[in-house]
Amino acid sequence: EAGVTQFPSHSVIEKGQTVTLRCDPISGHDNLYWYRRVMGKEIKFLLHFVKESKQDESGMPNNRFLAERTGGTYSTLKVQPAELEDSGVYFCASRSLLQYSPLHFGNGTRLTVT
Amino acid sequence: RKEVEQDPGPFNVPEGATVAFNCTYSNSASQSFFWYRQDCRKEPKLLMSVYSSGNEDGRFTAQLNRASQYISLLIRDSKLSDSATYLCVVNANAGNMLTFGGGTRLMVKP
Repeated sequence: EAGVTQFPSHSVIEKGQTVTLRCDPISGHDNLYWYRRVMGKEIKFLLHFVKESKQDESGMPNNRFLAERTGGTYSTLKVQPAELEDSGVYFCASRSLLQYSPLHFGNGTRLTVT
Repeated sequence: RKEVEQDPGPFNVPEGATVAFNCTYSNSASQSFFWYRQDCRKEPKLLMSVYSSGNEDGRFTAQLNRASQYISLLIRDSKLSDSATYLCVVNANAGNMLTFGGGTRLMVKP
């Protein structure tokens, strides 16, 4: 079974540019989450999709961040325009709808904004 | 108070030692609990789920104390390869959102 895959693994962009991160969850996992880890801080929740619907986006830092999951399969997270404080590792995770099912993480995208 | 709290450590222990970490959670309605392991610059990987009755997987034992609202992870006979950050994850509300603790760093020395 293929795991959660994320692309790109690493992105270096300049302040003001746009970056789009992609996540392909495990096939059949309706729950998809985006998390972010900023250097030296704990992993923070960004948002949660159930299929194509945004279940909870309370963790999105501001309106420069836009997440989509059209068709309920893969998801994208766009940052536009990027700021220096957006640097960090962005993790995507998926899980099934079964209660008590654990999260399965992708390898993460390391974003560096210069 | 944070929803999920962990002692950041680091815990420095010799090989073969037994070490235990706790993780406290604030929402008494929390239902799912997990321990994840994260190596430097890698993604978190599931170590074990935590069941109400406690559970064991080889050298690792996880326990849940609902009355005091904490979960624990015990590692016996520590190996060098156990060195990592251990993350406590709690389903802290009814909306299926999983919240991470800040992680506890373990360093096992020869």
